[in-house]
Amino acid sequence: GENVEQHPSTLSVQEGDSAVIKCTYSDSASNYFPWYKQELGKRPQLIIDIRSNVGEKKDQRIAVTLNKTAKHFSLHITETQPEDSAVYFCAASIQGGKLIFGQGTELSVKP
Amino acid sequence: NAGVMQNPRHLVRRRGQEARLRCSPMKGHSHVYWYRQLPEEGLKFMVYLQKENIIDESGMPKERFSAEFPKEGPSILRIQQVVRGDSAAYFCASSQYGGRGNTEAFFGQGTRLTVV
Repeated sequence: GENVEQHPSTLSVQEGDSAVIKCTYSDSASNYFPWYKQELGKRPQLIIDIRSNVGEKKDQRIAVTLNKTAKHFSLHITETQPEDSAVYFCAASIQGGKLIFGQGTELSVKP
Repeated sequence: NAGVMQNPRHLVRRRGQEARLRCSPMKGHSHVYWYRQLPEEGLKFMVYLQKENIIDESGMPKERFSAEFPKEGPSILRIQQVVRGDSAAYFCASSQYGGRGNTEAFFGQGTRLTVV
């Protein structure tokens, strides 16, 4: 069935380093891949998304890459800051707009 | 634009009671999705609704759970005869177009249900 795998489950980096989170999806019909940031006790907030007709997208310190052949996509955060600490979720949209989420990555940025 | 509004933010119910969770989508959005997040887990799709129609309920438990999105008023997620395992955060999201997923979904603040 529809499935999204996300790795790693936890990631600890020093402030200023880069962080990379990877996801794979199962359904080749997926065509929309958003990333959400969720701080403790708060709502998921969209930070960047990519559609299947694009291989890479960048927004300041955040970038996402998509490899449709391999069915995987990645989030890259450069020059990490303590306020980047949160849980990050990838998702894939299969049909009808519903999102299938990965299991989440808890990112900790140490000052 | 007030964004996606959910209420209540926190809800405590005793086992066997009913829980009603409300979601008002963003202005101009006609597609509503409900997700459940168990403690320290990811979000799981439950149901997708448009006005007066359930489009996809493949993630809904077969019993005790129902959802509606009437012509007027908010979308309602109803849980009958709640059990401890229903304790979770329930998030609603709305989007403008739905369809093949080529659109952003915006999340509400969530309702944190605790069953005691």
